[in-house]
Amino acid sequence: QLQLQESGPGLVKPSETLSLTCTVSGGSISSSNYDWGWLRQPPGKGLEWIGSIYYSGSTYYNVSLKSRVTISVDTSKNQFSLKLTSVTAADTAMYYCATTHKTMVADDGKGYSWFDPWGQGTLVTVSP
Amino acid sequence: SSELTQDPAVSVALGQTVRITCQGDSLRNYHASWYQQKPGQAPVLVIFGRDIRPSGIPDRFSGSSSGDTASLTITGAQAGDEADYYCNSRDNGDNLFVFGTGTKVTVL
Repeated sequence: QLQLQESGPGLVKPSETLSLTCTVSGGSISSSNYDWGWLRQPPGKGLEWIGSIYYSGSTYYNVSLKSRVTISVDTSKNQFSLKLTSVTAADTAMYYCATTHKTMVADDGKGYSWFDPWGQGTLVTVSP
Repeated sequence: SSELTQDPAVSVALGQTVRITCQGDSLRNYHASWYQQKPGQAPVLVIFGRDIRPSGIPDRFSGSSSGDTASLTITGAQAGDEADYYCNSRDNGDNLFVFGTGTKVTVL
């Protein structure tokens, strides 16, 4: 059973780079069955997809963050990482990593994907 | 990019049925997944695909869809179902995924 755990600094200064790591246990990050994603939730607000990295190595980012985000995988450590540059107070949030399941097609022809499991989350505060 | 709209809050009497809706253009092409989030906890998947419950999720949770609207129904709501619920789907637009605005469910 897959388990994910985020780690990284809880406090980042404005204009600096936020760096987080997600350690995967219970399975291989190199498995073709899964992709990997980062999401975040500002205090008191809703969930936002940040980006995903596919088994193939392809990356996809939220267009609102694309210029500042990099997601990468370290297969030797069974980890994937998030880097967000030039942070501001608006980037203060709980950051989650999650397993992204490949898009499948239901019998009605509609596609579907889902995030499961999620890490417990790590709070990152951007402050001087 | 697309948006998924949910009612901000709904309430339900203990043991009764509540339906939470999620509306957006992407739902014409993709099924929603649904997540339950209790205070201070990470989201938990409760429904995905056409109406699939992960292992361990009670069968009082069910999903459905019609046109551009997806619904999560809790039949016989329990006190432990009080939480925020978010829908999510693949996106038709520039982004790969989009989340709904969230619905706070209160069990009276």
